[in-house]
Amino acid sequence: GQNIDQPTEMTATEGAIVQINCTYQTSGFNGLFWYQQHAGEAPTFLSYNVLDGLEEKGRFSSFLSRSKGYSYLLLKELQMKDSASYLCAVSDMDSNYQLIWGAGTKLIIKP
Amino acid sequence: DADVTQTPRNRITKTGKRIMLECSQTKGHDRMYWYRQDPGLGLRLIYYSFDVKDINKGEISDGYSVSRQAQAKFSLSLESAIPNQTALYFCATSDGQGSREKLFFGSGTQLSVL
Repeated sequence: GQNIDQPTEMTATEGAIVQINCTYQTSGFNGLFWYQQHAGEAPTFLSYNVLDGLEEKGRFSSFLSRSKGYSYLLLKELQMKDSASYLCAVSDMDSNYQLIWGAGTKLIIKP
Repeated sequence: DADVTQTPRNRITKTGKRIMLECSQTKGHDRMYWYRQDPGLGLRLIYYSFDVKDINKGEISDGYSVSRQAQAKFSLSLESAIPNQTALYFCATSDGQGSREKLFFGSGTQLSVL
């Protein structure tokens, strides 16, 4: 079946680095997305990976290993504004390319 | 101005009432979606529409209906609301540019069914 797992909550310190993991099981993998969602707000797009490897975009990077069904989002030089939930989502060909979403990881940044 | 606008932002209703959530967009996208978000669960797709004449059921369509009145408008109805439909509802759009198309979300509607 289809399943996406990510930690429920993580805590990190301002200025540090944090890695948020996502593992998935889908029958028709067609790409993985990361979205950021601040409390009470809409999710906003962060990154997309369809090939193995690391995609870097400023302070944020996203990694994908299709053989392991694994991705991570790496946040560097953490800022207080990075406190948010981070949602992992997989595009699934067998679901008409609709996204299957993880429950999200709530990231708490401490001074 | 927001590109994807949802109304109302908050709504409290009673069991059995009919309620409509509305979504409009100025992005010019053909594809529109309705999701619900519950604490501890991922976003779940209710309905989606790839153009005005195309409506598709999502993962959890039971108890809901939709109407695509125009390219820019996509409304979600609860014909007879029940308490387990209490959730945060999001409308989203995408440009249909293939598998890497990203979603643009409205600000959400917090619905409480008493």
